[in-house]
Amino acid sequence: EDQVTQSPEALRLQEGESSSLNCSYTVSGLRGLFWYRQDPGKGPEFLFTLYSAGEEKEKERLKATLTKKESFLHITAPKPEDSATYLCAVRDNTGGFKTIFGAGTRLFVKA
Amino acid sequence: KAGVTQTPRYLIKTRGQQVTLSCSPISGHRSVSWYQQTPGQGLQFLFEYFSETQRNKGNFPGRFSGRQFSNSRSEMNVSTLELGDSALYLCASSGSGGGTQYFGPGTRLLVL
Repeated sequence: EDQVTQSPEALRLQEGESSSLNCSYTVSGLRGLFWYRQDPGKGPEFLFTLYSAGEEKEKERLKATLTKKESFLHITAPKPEDSATYLCAVRDNTGGFKTIFGAGTRLFVKA
Repeated sequence: KAGVTQTPRYLIKTRGQQVTLSCSPISGHRSVSWYQQTPGQGLQFLFEYFSETQRNKGNFPGRFSGRQFSNSRSEMNVSTLELGDSALYLCASSGSGGGTQYFGPGTRLLVL
């Protein structure tokens, strides 16, 4: 069965303290791995799509990487406005393009 | 380019009633997916529509149904509401169905 596990559940950082979020997955045929940011009461905001092992993407203070079994979201020198829940999702190419989300990592960045 | 829109944004219903939620995808997108988000269960996949056909369905009871129109707009319906149906219902659209999904702001449903 396809599964997505994110760790840690919650992460508290000081402003400027870099860290990484982990997303491990089990899927039959990976069609894409997605990272989203979600603020309370709002819909998820798209960050990155990764398709194959070794791929990396960057946007401002965020960098996403992908291996065959997991993905990392690296946050460099975070700011308080980076506080949010970060969601990882995988989409497989079997059974009709179902997307499975992880439970998310809640990130708190203190000034 | 306008994003995904969902209406209404907030709803309060009582047990036993039914509700219909609407989603307008990004222009040109033909795939629409629906998700239920609760604090305890996270984001749970409900179903996906592509070109007016349901292409995939999650593990939800038959009280949850949906449809897609020829202009790609989609509706989902929940009949005989239960207290546990209180959640944020999210709609997401993508171009072909296998690519990146873009989410709307959600409809917050409260069942009393």
